[in-house]
Amino acid sequence: GAGVSQSPSNKVTEKGKDVELRCDPISGHTALYWYRQSLGQGLEFLIYFQGNSAPDKSGLPSDRFSAERTGGSVSTLTIQRTQQEDSAVYLCASSPQLRGRTDTQYFGPGTRLTVL
Amino acid sequence: DAKTTQPNSMESNEEEPVHLPCNHSTISGTDYIHWYRQLPSQGPEYVIHGLTSNVNNRMASLAIAEDRKSSTLILHRATLRDAAVYYCILRSGATNKLIFGTGTLLAVQP
Repeated sequence: GAGVSQSPSNKVTEKGKDVELRCDPISGHTALYWYRQSLGQGLEFLIYFQGNSAPDKSGLPSDRFSAERTGGSVSTLTIQRTQQEDSAVYLCASSPQLRGRTDTQYFGPGTRLTVL
Repeated sequence: DAKTTQPNSMESNEEEPVHLPCNHSTISGTDYIHWYRQLPSQGPEYVIHGLTSNVNNRMASLAIAEDRKSSTLILHRATLRDAAVYYCILRSGATNKLIFGTGTLLAVQP
């Protein structure tokens, strides 16, 4: 079946512009996660959705970052007024959320964001 | 979440077994041990997980020490496609997110 998909695969933007990154999770997966991977910081958690609500937003680095999920499916991560330090690969994952500690997360290929 | 410690890098020859160690001395009784790997230019992928007993699946085996303070991921016959960063992660019931450390970069030589 189809895995997690993300779009665009690459995004180049100018400093100060807003960007939207999209994630299509595996059909039927109730949990959705955003992570980012940058050279200096490794893989870090950003936000977690259960259905359409976000019980854990603790990883969002600033108020320029926001995310929403609609219909329990597609999610959009928005970065306003992008800065060069936002350059990273943004990864989305989904899971069926059957049992938290044994739940497998399935990752998309990521969106590589470059802020000039 | 309890912390894990892994070697920064390891090397293996193709078709030989690989043992990737992970120390987690502060693991709690309800923490599961998960392994994910990340191939170059791809998102992480699940490999295996366990609680107390050793586990086998089509990708790998997981050997867990009796005191659970360490574990070893075993690739029985390394291939060039196994070259990746391998992450050992502890999952508790308190959080759903994965907390990635720096992982072990595995190089496989032909």
